[in-house]
Amino acid sequence: NAGVTQTPKFRILKIGQSMTLQCAQDMNHNYMYWYRQDPGMGLKLIYYSVGAGITDKGEVPNGYNVSRSTTEDFPLRLELAAPSQTSVYFCASSWSNTGELFFGEGSRLTVL
Amino acid sequence: SQELEQSPQSLIVQEGKNLTINCTSSKTLYGLYWYKQKYGEGLIFLMMLQKGGEEKSHEKITAKLDEKKQQSSLHITASQPSHAGIYLCGADDSGAGSYQLTFGKGTKLSVIP
Repeated sequence: NAGVTQTPKFRILKIGQSMTLQCAQDMNHNYMYWYRQDPGMGLKLIYYSVGAGITDKGEVPNGYNVSRSTTEDFPLRLELAAPSQTSVYFCASSWSNTGELFFGEGSRLTVL
Repeated sequence: SQELEQSPQSLIVQEGKNLTINCTSSKTLYGLYWYKQKYGEGLIFLMMLQKGGEEKSHEKITAKLDEKKQQSSLHITASQPSHAGIYLCGADDSGAGSYQLTFGKGTKLSVIP
């Protein structure tokens, strides 16, 4: 049972570089989310998707982009990495909008 | 936007002791979720509360929702080292469901054998 799989687990980027954080779920969930967690802070919602082809901004979307071409995958793209994007990123999915979120193990990103 | 205040920020208890973690909202709660996080791992769902006065238990963990106080409490009975981790509450203050959750900053629990 894979659940929600995130890659990579760790990455160091230079300022201005681009990268994509991958997220895949095998539970056939319609809802998927990207959160970031900064030290001592709660999770902040970056983007979410309610189904293939549908995405919407969360609380902190600036500097990020997402796409949802399939039910399974929800990649998060950083176009011009900035030190403020140093964080731990969590992808999550859920069956409905009122139920349990299933989280991946996180991707720790450092921008230098 | 909603503010969720968790208290205490950190807690160190002796194995076998009981403890309570609180989560207080500045807005009406439509749903309250409790998660546990271990370092380097994702969040594990514990419980979801939706109605005022609702109480749920799982093994030695009990969560309650006080709608009037806009507060939820998480109580652990006879704590064990396996309970150590960071406990986060997440709240739905829009009625839109889990994709509009606001999370608290977490309570770090250490259990000393």
